[in-house]
Amino acid sequence: GNSVTQMEGPVTLSEEAFLTINCTYTATGYPSLFWYVQYPGEGLQLLLKATKADDKGSNKGFEATYRKETTSFHLEKGSVQVSDSAVYFCALSANFNDYKLSFGAGTTVTVRA
Amino acid sequence: NAGVTQTPKFRVLKTGQSMTLLCAQDMNHEYMYWYRQDPGMGLRLIHYSVGEGTTAKGEVPDGYNVSRLKKQNFLLGLESAAPSQTSVYFCASSYLPGLGANEQFFGPGTRLTVL
Repeated sequence: GNSVTQMEGPVTLSEEAFLTINCTYTATGYPSLFWYVQYPGEGLQLLLKATKADDKGSNKGFEATYRKETTSFHLEKGSVQVSDSAVYFCALSANFNDYKLSFGAGTTVTVRA
Repeated sequence: NAGVTQTPKFRVLKTGQSMTLLCAQDMNHEYMYWYRQDPGMGLRLIHYSVGEGTTAKGEVPDGYNVSRLKKQNFLLGLESAAPSQTSVYFCASSYLPGLGANEQFFGPGTRLTVL
């Protein structure tokens, strides 16, 4: 079946540091890939997505590239802020039209001033 | 627009008690979902609905029931709560397939503790 594996946290960084969160997936066919973010006390919200190989999703300074050859979708941000402190979830759907999402365990990121 | 709302925000139950969690969305989405979030396990799908009057089991349906009598509402019921159901519950909704169905919109969550 489809599954997502994320790097374990928690991750603690200083402001303006570089952030990488690794995500690898197992899926048949052509999955769509997502990063969701959960700020403290809130529900999840979509951060970015990519629907085919080599697509790059980007939003709020975050980027992730869909790498089919390495089955990866790593999240990166060049200079984090305190407001980026959150839990980040990698997720996939089996294909563009599949409404079911499989989530990773989540990575907690704390950014210190 | 309120988006996806959930009531209540917090609840404490005793083992064996029952309760219903209410989810409402004002985006006219066809699809709705209930997830539970547990530490180190991400989100797991409990039940989902692809339209008014229809429901289906997800990954962890045991001990839960759902109903979708109106398009905008999706109810999650616990008939006899157990400590293993202590969790944070999230409702989500999405459009039809082909219209970005796999982009889901989440509510703020309900934190449930079963003693």
